[in-house]
Amino acid sequence: EAQVTQNPRYLITVTGKKLTVTCSQNMNHEYMSWYRQDPGLGLRQIYYSMNVEVTDKGDVPEGYKVSRKEKRNFPLILESPSPNQTSLYFCASSLFGTSGISEQFFGPGTRLTVL
Amino acid sequence: DAKTTQPNSMESNEEEPVHLPCNHSTISGTDYIHWYRQLPSQGPEYVIHGLTSNVNNRMASLAIAEDRKSSTLILHRATLRDAAVYYCILNYAGGTSYGKLTFGQGTILTVHP
Repeated sequence: EAQVTQNPRYLITVTGKKLTVTCSQNMNHEYMSWYRQDPGLGLRQIYYSMNVEVTDKGDVPEGYKVSRKEKRNFPLILESPSPNQTSLYFCASSLFGTSGISEQFFGPGTRLTVL
Repeated sequence: DAKTTQPNSMESNEEEPVHLPCNHSTISGTDYIHWYRQLPSQGPEYVIHGLTSNVNNRMASLAIAEDRKSSTLILHRATLRDAAVYYCILNYAGGTSYGKLTFGQGTILTVHP
């Protein structure tokens, strides 16, 4: 089954404790992206990757890191989480070509709480 | 980056057509228009996308104005399951920021039985 998986789905942590949210897709997609969703602010893009070893900032990259060492995986790293990073996080992937990004497939979301 | 403007909310009755507007007056020639929706407690879901011509798929139709400064997502017969937040976004398919996507606030669609 074609899918994007995220782990963990729920996480409660404390300020400053490094964490990684994993994202994996099985569709051989070039493009992957991370978003956060907050009430009243909608979906905001954090980072995206056009292919292996190619990443770039979205609209809200501060406090986050990403890496793309393999095509299928795109982990989101919070080196020193703070309470303002409490949010619902979505990973997405899609094909990419001359017509830009195609249909994005979204993961189920990770609800992160930073105390 | 080109931005989109959508009404905050719209209402419809079940089995009636719904026309969801989106303004993108600063769109560039290589910006694709994408629509996504997000049902309650779910992740976003792709609906449709296009460049210049009108597009149809099993979920909806996308009507793009001739000057491309606006577009309309058409749900031909709304069902209760179509109640969601609908996002109109632009994807710049040229240049160096072609992976960047800005979702905006979207339109909350309420469908009445």
